Amino acid sequence: KNQVEQSPQSLIILEGKNCTLQCNYTVSPFSNLRWYKQDTGRGPVSLTIMTFSENTKSNGRYTATLDADTKQSSLHITASQLSDSASYICVVSEGGGFKTIFGAGTRLFVKA
Amino acid sequence: DAGVIQSPRHEVTEMGQEVTLRCKPISGHNSLFWYRQTMMRGLELLIYFNNNVPIDDSGMPEDRFSAKMPNASFSTLKIQPSEPRDSAVYFCASSVANLDTQYFGPGTRLTVL
Repeated sequence: KNQVEQSPQSLIILEGKNCTLQCNYTVSPFSNLRWYKQDTGRGPVSLTIMTFSENTKSNGRYTATLDADTKQSSLHITASQLSDSASYICVVSEGGGFKTIFGAGTRLFVKA
Repeated sequence: DAGVIQSPRHEVTEMGQEVTLRCKPISGHNSLFWYRQTMMRGLELLIYFNNNVPIDDSGMPEDRFSAKMPNASFSTLKIQPSEPRDSAVYFCASSVANLDTQYFGPGTRLTVL
């Protein structure tokens, strides 16, 4: 069964600190993996998208990695800011890109 | 560009009524997606269009749900009849192509009493 599991479920960090969110998947065949940021009450915003051949992609202070062999991805946030407080959702698409499986998300709280 | 536009932003209706949600994708985008988000089930893909043609509707929960895209600049998601368990936030998203970055609208918060 195709699944996407994210950890931790929630995380509290102090402003300025770094953190890493994890995403493990069993989706096969694999097409691409996306990380989204969703602020409360708003639609998700795409942070990164990676295909099979890509193992790292950055978007400002956000860096995503992908290990297609172990089927793991991580999202690293550097020098966190209060505005990073949001849910981060990992989404994996099956081969062909039409079937998408969503992770439950990690809720990040950044405290001053 | 104004981004993806959805209307209404909020909808409150009674069980059994018909509900129509509307979406205007970003101009030039060829793919359009409808999602539903609830606390219990998270974000779910309902249906996906490519060049106005429905490609995959396997996420549509049941026959009460239907979606159309009569042209490249407009899509609707209809629920008839609505039920309380349909209460959720419904998002529309568009992208240049199906594997490209998706841009989400602000969502429609639906409450069925």
